[in-house]
Amino acid sequence: NAGVTQTPKFRILKIGQSMTLQCAQDMNHNYMYWYRQDPGMGLKLIYYSVGAGITDKGEVPNGYNVSRSTTEDFPLRLELAAPSQTSVYFCASSSTGYEQYFGPGTRLTVT
Amino acid sequence: DAKTTQPTSMDCAEGRAANLPCNHSTISGNEYVYWYRQIHSQGPQYIIHGLKNNETNEMASLIITEDRKSSTLILPHATLRDTAVYYCIVRPRAQKLVFGQGTRLTINP
Repeated sequence: NAGVTQTPKFRILKIGQSMTLQCAQDMNHNYMYWYRQDPGMGLKLIYYSVGAGITDKGEVPNGYNVSRSTTEDFPLRLELAAPSQTSVYFCASSSTGYEQYFGPGTRLTVT
Repeated sequence: DAKTTQPTSMDCAEGRAANLPCNHSTISGNEYVYWYRQIHSQGPQYIIHGLKNNETNEMASLIITEDRKSSTLILPHATLRDTAVYYCIVRPRAQKLVFGQGTRLTINP
């Protein structure tokens, strides 16, 4: 199993650009999550999903959108990128809702 | 939501047991205690979770007090690779995790 994979690993965006962060898992997990982590801080939940077709907001959803058309994929869309969205983005998945498995992260800089 | 209190940082000698405390005095009956760790720049790693009984797995042991108001994560034989930020999280099952500041554990040779 590859586990949770995220692409790209690094990205630099200009203010106002848009992009999609990709997340995929091959463990057939129903639960998937997107977090962001600012320097020196803990993780904050952006969006999560409990299954294909079902998504819900976390703590910091503004400026982001998600979709979950398949069990495997949970892309995160940034519209109109702002410097405040400079962060490391982690995707995670879980089968039971207890342990979450995290991907390696995407490091995004908006300038 | 139950809040947790952890020391900001701790040190431990390599080969010794590392004991990381967590206070969660407002925990509810349906809330679990989860421990995760984050090694520099990597995604967090699940360690262990428990409801009210002590738990042990290949990575660590979790000791929860009888009143459930505090817990201790024990790494029995700490190695340099255990240097990380350790997060104690209290949530109901399947609910979104809320990561605080955690404890920065440094294992010294």
